[in-house]
Amino acid sequence: GIQVEQSPPDLILQEGANSTLRCNFSDSVNNLQWFHQNPWGQLINLFYIPSGTKQNGRLSATTVATERYSLLYISSSQTTDSGVYFCAGSTWDSSYKLIFGSGTRLLVRP
Amino acid sequence: DAMVIQNPRYQVTQFGKPVTLSCSQTLNHNVMYWYQQKSSQAPKLLFHYYDKDFNNEADTPDNFQSRRPNTSFCFLDIRSPGLGDAAMYLCATSRERRGQGPQETQYFGPGTRLLVL
Repeated sequence: GIQVEQSPPDLILQEGANSTLRCNFSDSVNNLQWFHQNPWGQLINLFYIPSGTKQNGRLSATTVATERYSLLYISSSQTTDSGVYFCAGSTWDSSYKLIFGSGTRLLVRP
Repeated sequence: DAMVIQNPRYQVTQFGKPVTLSCSQTLNHNVMYWYQQKSSQAPKLLFHYYDKDFNNEADTPDNFQSRRPNTSFCFLDIRSPGLGDAAMYLCATSRERRGQGPQETQYFGPGTRLLVL
């Protein structure tokens, strides 16, 4: 199965700073999602982005499928952005199984 | 709003005492998933239902079972919980088209945190 690597594993920001989170895949994926897990444990969909670029407010994501990576950009970070960010992907032969990276733990300080 | 609902949000059980977690969805999605997430780890898929077809992951212990009586509901049964089964259990749904591979966003419920005493 595919391997998913996320970097950095931990990130501490001052409120208002920008950041870029990276996700690398060992194989081509046809389903790629970014999630934010809040302190209460709920996984919240941020983007479904197997390719291209999307933006939603202060967040944007870019996936370069041919080079097997995806980036999540957080601009003007807020304390409510704290939590764990996961990327996850699946392939044609993975039978709908989302493979998660190990996550990036983000702490935004006021 | 269409959503994925999990009950209870917190569940305390005793070692070896069977427990059932429930998940319901108003999205009318045909695929439902159960994930286990232990502290500081990524979610790990236990099994999923594609319509009525049950698909078990190879490394899911026999202690874990699931039922899907209809499109909207799915249950996770832990027959004899051990201390190692304490975790967050996440239910997710997606809409997929058979033969076209995984294509759609998975939507997650809020999770049930299980504590085993």
